[in-house]
Amino acid sequence: DSGVTQTPKHLITATGQRVTLRCSPRSGDLSVYWYQQSLDQGLQFLIQYYNGEERAKGNILERFSAQQFPDLHSELNLSSLELGDSALYFCASSVVPSGGAGETQYFGPGTRLLVL
Amino acid sequence: QQQVKQSPQSLIVQKGGISIINCAYENTAFDYFPWYQQFPGKGPALLIAIRPDVSEKKEGRFTISFNKSAKQFSLHIMDSQPGDSATYFCAASIRGNNDMRFGAGTRLTVKP
Repeated sequence: DSGVTQTPKHLITATGQRVTLRCSPRSGDLSVYWYQQSLDQGLQFLIQYYNGEERAKGNILERFSAQQFPDLHSELNLSSLELGDSALYFCASSVVPSGGAGETQYFGPGTRLLVL
Repeated sequence: QQQVKQSPQSLIVQKGGISIINCAYENTAFDYFPWYQQFPGKGPALLIAIRPDVSEKKEGRFTISFNKSAKQFSLHIMDSQPGDSATYFCAASIRGNNDMRFGAGTRLTVKP
């Protein structure tokens, strides 16, 4: 158990809808990352927050947004959903702001999103 | 764009054998190379990582070999066990940069 929690575990919705995925980082971790994992694209970095502020952006669509709250939990909002958005969405957390060299990212169990 | 290329896509090894997974990168600015292990239904977990100032790092049965000039690194799993069956991801990032690039993953199956 990494200590990172994500809800819900599974989500089934229809095209055009909006969903919110929630992540609680490990106790003491200030940095939260969101990743999308699909069969054909592998693991893609979406966005990072550190202590409530956006820190870095990866391949995140404009239809997607995220935020980190004062209690450090984070939410990823996906809107105008398309079939291609079906994927596993992972949240990871780390202690330090820059999740690059030397800083371990701890991944949550993921949310499996299915868009029908 | 895929900055980290991983091969093979899938690998089947007999128990006790050596599993080898290879990765190649393009960006010479990368200076941190972790490997993640992912079991079905779980998130990836850091397995072992290396920096380019060393050519090899070993932790138990897991070894990373790093070739800076060839811009390649590989994971070797010695004495592979059925419990090692999982998907393995290599990754690369730059110190101070929050954008970690992952390989496409290798699904390893160790047959008993």
